[in-house]
Amino acid sequence: QLQLQEWGPGLVKPSETLSLTCTVSGGSISSSSYYWGWIRQPPGKGLEWIGSIYYSGSTYYNSSLKSRVTISVDTSKNQISLKLSSVTDADTAVYYCARHYAERETVFYAYYMDVWGKGTTVTVSS
Amino acid sequence: QSVLTQPPSASGTPGQRVTISCSGSSPNIGVNYVYWYQQLPGTAPKLLIYTNNQRPSGVPDRFSGSKSGPSASLAISGLRSEDEADYYCATWDDSLSGWVFGGGTKLTVL
Repeated sequence: QLQLQEWGPGLVKPSETLSLTCTVSGGSISSSSYYWGWIRQPPGKGLEWIGSIYYSGSTYYNSSLKSRVTISVDTSKNQISLKLSSVTDADTAVYYCARHYAERETVFYAYYMDVWGKGTTVTVSS
Repeated sequence: QSVLTQPPSASGTPGQRVTISCSGSSPNIGVNYVYWYQQLPGTAPKLLIYTNNQRPSGVPDRFSGSKSGPSASLAISGLRSEDEADYYCATWDDSLSGWVFGGGTKLTVL
C-alpha cells in the first residue's frame, strides 16, 4: 500500500529556510501516472497548494510562493523535497506531501491529488 | 480570501441529507474538474470525489458530487456521526495556473 511520510525540522527561525522531505514507500515515484506535490495548512485555516514535481524534475509552483520555493526529486531514494526560503510566522503550518494521479500521461492539471501523507508540523519562531 | 467560496459551516441530524456548495468562476470550476476532500479532526485530507462526481473505491455511495457551470456541490445522504469533518473543494485555475482550494466547510452532525 502506498505511503507518504513527511519529515524535517519542526522549528525554523524567521528568515531562515524551511526544508522538508517526503519519502514514498509501497510504490515507485518514477511513473508517468504520477506527479508529487506539497500542500500546507496553517493552524485553523484551509489548504494551500505549494507546488508539484514530476519524476523527470518538471515543476509547477504556486505563483504566490514561487520566488521562495524549490521542489526537487531524488528517484534513487524515492523522495521529493521542499525548500521554502525567508520564512516568516505566516509559514507556520502543517505541511503535507501528496500524490497526483492520472490514468495516463497528460497535462499537469489533469493529475489530481489522491493520496496524502499524514503531514508534519512546522513552526516558525525565534 | 479563497478563490473558491464555500460556506464556513453546515449541519444536519443523523439520517438527513446535507449539501455543501463550492462557488467558483470561469477560469476554474467553469472549465475544469472539481474534487472534494474530507478532513477528519486531526488527520490529513482524504479524496472523497474526483472528476466532479466519481467516488474512489471505499467511499460510500452516500457521498455524491455534481457541477453546474461555475459551481459545484457535495451531497451527503443518510448523515452519520462519523461524517463530522471539514470538507474542501479543489480545482485547477487556468488564470492562476495552479491548484486552488475552497476555504473549507465544517460539517456538524447534531
